[in-house]
Amino acid sequence: AQSVTQPDIHITVSEGASLELRCNYSYGATPYLFWYVQSPGQGLQLLLKYFSGDTLVQGIKGFEAEFKRSQSSFNLRKPSVHWSDAAEYFCAVGPYYGQNFVFGPGTRLSVLP
Amino acid sequence: DAGITQSPRYKITETGRQVTLMCHQTWSHSYMFWYRQDLGHGLRLIYYSAAADITDKGEVPDGYVVSRSKTENFPLTLESATRSQTSVYFCASTGQNYEQYFGPGTRLTVT
Repeated sequence: AQSVTQPDIHITVSEGASLELRCNYSYGATPYLFWYVQSPGQGLQLLLKYFSGDTLVQGIKGFEAEFKRSQSSFNLRKPSVHWSDAAEYFCAVGPYYGQNFVFGPGTRLSVLP
Repeated sequence: DAGITQSPRYKITETGRQVTLMCHQTWSHSYMFWYRQDLGHGLRLIYYSAAADITDKGEVPDGYVVSRSKTENFPLTLESATRSQTSVYFCASTGQNYEQYFGPGTRLTVT
């Protein structure tokens, strides 16, 4: 069965520091992978996605993610975090039963000034 | 305005009452979804719909009913609300390349 793990519930980084959020998945075939961001009181917004091809994908707001098939991982990175990046981040894998995706439990990012 | 909207944004109701949460999208997307978001659980799928008049259960469907008579609307009904259904509810639809577009959410409190 498909599943997603985000090992870090909460991460705190200083503004300007680099960031890596971890995502591990279980899926029976080559997955489609997504990262979404949720600001407080808002819905989720797509950051980036991976379907095939280049394993390093670029997204909005300076984020990138790397697909590593051998490690079943899709970690999200940003070289220099801004205070506005404080939010909750969700990894998702699928599809199954048509267009369904499984979401991870989320990682909350706090940014110190 | 184009997009996906949910109403109401906030709702307080009593145990045992019926509550309907509305979801409307303007893109004519085929797939629509209802999720609930609870601390420690992330997003859990309640129901989804592949097209008008086609719906199916997700991970946590008990106590909920959906319908989809029109492509653009996907209401979620709590037939007899319970305190365990206190949550934030998100509606979403799927565009090109499986990207999900989320509504702003409805915060439901059952007292």
